[in-house]
Amino acid sequence: GAGVSQSPSNKVTEKGKDVELRCDPISGHTALYWYRQRLGQGLEFLIYFQGNSAPDKSGLPSDRFSAERTGESVSTLTIQRTQQEDSAVYLCASSSRLAGPLLDTDTQYFGPGTRLTVL
Amino acid sequence: RKEVEQDPGPFNVPEGATVAFNCTYSNSASQSFFWYRQDCRKEPKLLMSVYSSGNEDGRFTAQLNRASQYISLLIRDSKLSDSATYLCVVRGGGFKTIFGAGTRLFVKA
Repeated sequence: GAGVSQSPSNKVTEKGKDVELRCDPISGHTALYWYRQRLGQGLEFLIYFQGNSAPDKSGLPSDRFSAERTGESVSTLTIQRTQQEDSAVYLCASSSRLAGPLLDTDTQYFGPGTRLTVL
Repeated sequence: RKEVEQDPGPFNVPEGATVAFNCTYSNSASQSFFWYRQDCRKEPKLLMSVYSSGNEDGRFTAQLNRASQYISLLIRDSKLSDSATYLCVVRGGGFKTIFGAGTRLFVKA
C-alpha cells in the first residue's frame, strides 16, 4: 500500500513569507509526527497528533510554527514569517500507535520530507 | 545535557568487521527504545526495537541497560550496504519521541 507522502518535495521561499507543508499519513494510522532535521543534524521533534486527542505541541520552536490535522488524515505544518534558520528538511511520520502493552511496537513510518530553503 | 546522546563517529570499518554503537539517555522514565537507520538524504527507517531482554535480528543485536541508561547496537560481519547513519530513539510514557543525532558508519571494501 501507499506510504507516507509529503508535498512539496522542495520549497524555496524568501525570508518573511509564509509556507505550508503537507503530510498524507498511511491510511488507518492514528498517530502523526512532525520533525525538523537541519543539515548534518539529528531529528528535532516538533508536534504529535493522536486521533482526536489534543496534540502535543511541546516541540514547536516558536509561535510562528503551527500545525493542524483533520481527524486521522492529512496534516499541514505552517511556518509564518519564515527566517533563514527555518531552512531544513521537515519530516512527517505516522504510526498505528496502540495503547497498552504494545506501546513498544510503535513503528514510525517516515515520508520523504520537504526540503525548505529560506533565502 | 542532551536527552539522547550518541557518538557522531564516523566509524570506518572494513567489510566483515564487528562494530558497536552506544547511546545514552537522560530520562529514567523512558519506556520504549529503537534503532533507526538513515541513508544519506533519505528518510529514517526502523532497524529494530530494543527490548529489555535484548534482541537479535540476523547480524544485528540490540541491548538495553536500564540501570546505566544506555542502549547498544552491535553489527556483525559488516557489509558495504550497512554504511549509513544509525539513530538511537527513545520515548517516555508520553508521546514525545527523542532522536539522537546519529552515528555515521562507513564500511569499506
